[in-house]
Amino acid sequence: QKEVEQNSGPLSVPEGAIASLNCTYSDRGSQSFFWYRQYSGKSPELIMFIYSNGDKEDGRFTAQLNKASQYVSLLIRDSQPSDSATYLCAVNGPVAGGGGSNYKLTFGKGTLLTVNP
Amino acid sequence: EAGVAQSPRYKIIEKRQSVAFWCNPISGHATLYWYQQILGQGPKLLIQFQNNGVVDDSQLPKDRFSAERLKGVDSTLKIQPAKLEDSAVYLCASSLVAGVGEQYFGPGTRLTVT
Repeated sequence: QKEVEQNSGPLSVPEGAIASLNCTYSDRGSQSFFWYRQYSGKSPELIMFIYSNGDKEDGRFTAQLNKASQYVSLLIRDSQPSDSATYLCAVNGPVAGGGGSNYKLTFGKGTLLTVNP
Repeated sequence: EAGVAQSPRYKIIEKRQSVAFWCNPISGHATLYWYQQILGQGPKLLIQFQNNGVVDDSQLPKDRFSAERLKGVDSTLKIQPAKLEDSAVYLCASSLVAGVGEQYFGPGTRLTVT
């Protein structure tokens, strides 16, 4: 069973600080990695994705990927109270028996982030 | 561009009853997904369609859950009979290409089984 592990939190940071969210995955065949944000009672929305080892920056968000360690992280700089939400790590891997051409997302349980004013 | 539409938004049923959820994906999106999200957990993929064919349904409890995507557009997920543990939010998502790139989620259907 392919697994995606996240600390459930809650992670509490003061406004303006850096929030660091971590995720590990078990399937070495995973191809791409996504971070979704989910506000309470709402649907997940994509923040960013990363395919290659290293860092990828988008505004206040930086995703980091280390395939050798099977580890992906999300850094949020200058955290704002509006960033308070659950952050879901999702890993894209091949569907078993799919011939290598079909992929599906496996989500972690999410980390609840609270940014305190 | 209209988003993913789902109905109903809320449903309360008694155990052993049946229920159906409907999803209309973003126009032109070939891939449609149904997820189950239990409170405090991440979404779990139940079934993934590519056009009107099933790509993956390995986590669909086939003794009680069924899904179809006629004509490769909208889709229906059914539960019959429902159990208490089926209480969850059922999320529909769609994407242009199977499992690649962003999945766009609908608002979800919150099911309560009493």
